[in-house]
Amino acid sequence: NAGVTQTPKFQVLKTGQSMTLQCAQDMNHNSMYWYRQDPGMGLRLIYYSASEGTTDKGEVPNGYNVSRLNKREFSLRLESAAPSQTSVYFCASSEATGGGGANVLTFGAGSRLTVL
Amino acid sequence: GQSLEQPSEVTAVEGAIVQINCTYQTSGFYGLSWYQQHDGGAPTFLSYNALDGLEETGRFSSFLSRSDSYGYLLLQELQMKDSASYFCAVSNQAGTALIFGKGTTLSVSS
Repeated sequence: NAGVTQTPKFQVLKTGQSMTLQCAQDMNHNSMYWYRQDPGMGLRLIYYSASEGTTDKGEVPNGYNVSRLNKREFSLRLESAAPSQTSVYFCASSEATGGGGANVLTFGAGSRLTVL
Repeated sequence: GQSLEQPSEVTAVEGAIVQINCTYQTSGFYGLSWYQQHDGGAPTFLSYNALDGLEETGRFSSFLSRSDSYGYLLLQELQMKDSASYFCAVSNQAGTALIFGKGTTLSVSS
C-alpha cells in the first residue's frame, strides 16, 4: 500500500515563481491536510479538506491556495513563492470527518521546498 | 484558538524512563494525540486520549487530565531508536483538523 504520496520530494524555486505540490492517498480517506514544518515551529496547518468538495483555512493560509481535485487528490499551490515559504511540506489524510484526534492522520514523506 | 506547550528538548539514557509533558488551551476539546517523528521522516501516530487516565501501548503510555488541561507521554525502557521528536496535538474548534505543538526532541544516549 502506497498510503499518502507527495510529489515532488525536492524543489528549488526563485522568488516569484509558482508551483504546485501534489498529494494523493489510496486509503479512501475523506479528509486531507497540508502542513508546513519549520525548525522549532512544529507542524502548522495550512489548509485542509474535511470532505470532497470542501476546503478550509488553517493556521497559516496566506500565500497558498488548495484544490481538492477528487477524493484521492489534494494539491497545494504557491502562486508567487517567497523565501519565507522555504519549508518542508507534509500532506496527510484521515478516515473520518470530525471527531477530533480520534481521526488518526497518515502523513506523506514530505516535500522539501527552497525559495531563493 | 488552540495552543499547546511542551518542552523543546529532553535527554535520557538507554533503559531509563522519560516523561514528556503537554499543556493545552482550546476552545473546544475532543482529546489529546501524540505523534512521533524521526529525523527526516514523516510523523506517525502514537496514541490518543479522549478521557482522563492512562492509556498503555507497550513501552509507551499516555495520560490525560482534562480538568488540568494537561497530558504526558511516558516512554519506558528507552532505546536508542526512541530518539525522535514527539508532538502533542489537539483538534481545532470544529474537530476537523489537528493543531500540533512545537514538538519535543528526545535524545537517548548509551
